[in-house]
Amino acid sequence: EAQVTQNPRYLITVTGKKLTVTCSQNMNHEYMSWYRQDPGLGLRQIYYSMNVEVTDKGDVPEGYKVSRKEKRNFPLILESPSPNQTSLYFCASSLLDPNNEQFFGPGTRLTVL
Amino acid sequence: LAKTTQPISMDSYEGQEVNITCSHNNIATNDYITWYQQFPSQGPRFIIQGYKTKVTNEVASLFIPADRKSSTLSLPRVSLSDTAVYYCLVGVLTGGGNKLTFGTGTQLKVEL
Repeated sequence: EAQVTQNPRYLITVTGKKLTVTCSQNMNHEYMSWYRQDPGLGLRQIYYSMNVEVTDKGDVPEGYKVSRKEKRNFPLILESPSPNQTSLYFCASSLLDPNNEQFFGPGTRLTVL
Repeated sequence: LAKTTQPISMDSYEGQEVNITCSHNNIATNDYITWYQQFPSQGPRFIIQGYKTKVTNEVASLFIPADRKSSTLSLPRVSLSDTAVYYCLVGVLTGGGNKLTFGTGTQLKVEL
């Protein structure tokens, strides 16, 4: 089944404790991206990647890192999480670029205490 | 990146046709118009995409006038399960690079 998977689905952590949220897609897509969703603010793009080894900042990249060593994986790294990063996170992929249909993962609900 | 404006919320009843209009006055020549649907705690789902005139699929229709400064997503005979947030996206490949900006969307509520 073609899909985007994220892990973990739920995470409660404490301020400053490094964490990684994994994202993987099995559709051989070039474009991958991360979003956060907060009440009243809609979806905001954190980082995106046009293909392997190419990443760029979205609208809210502060406090996050990403890497794209393989086409299928695009982990989101929070080196020192803070409470304002408590949010619902989505990973997405599309065939070539953001104008193609985006396929979203199930989401990761992160709470930083 | 073309800015979009859409209503914050809309209400409807089952069986009615719902039209959600999105304004994008500074749309560029190469920009496409794309609509997504999102249910609570789920990722958005692609509904439809168009460039001009009318596009129809099994879920919705998209009407785009000749000047392309607005577009209307039409959902025929809505049901309770169509209650969701609907996002209009425009101009992802021009001006803003390869970013994708969703905005706050339109919350559609369908009642019996």
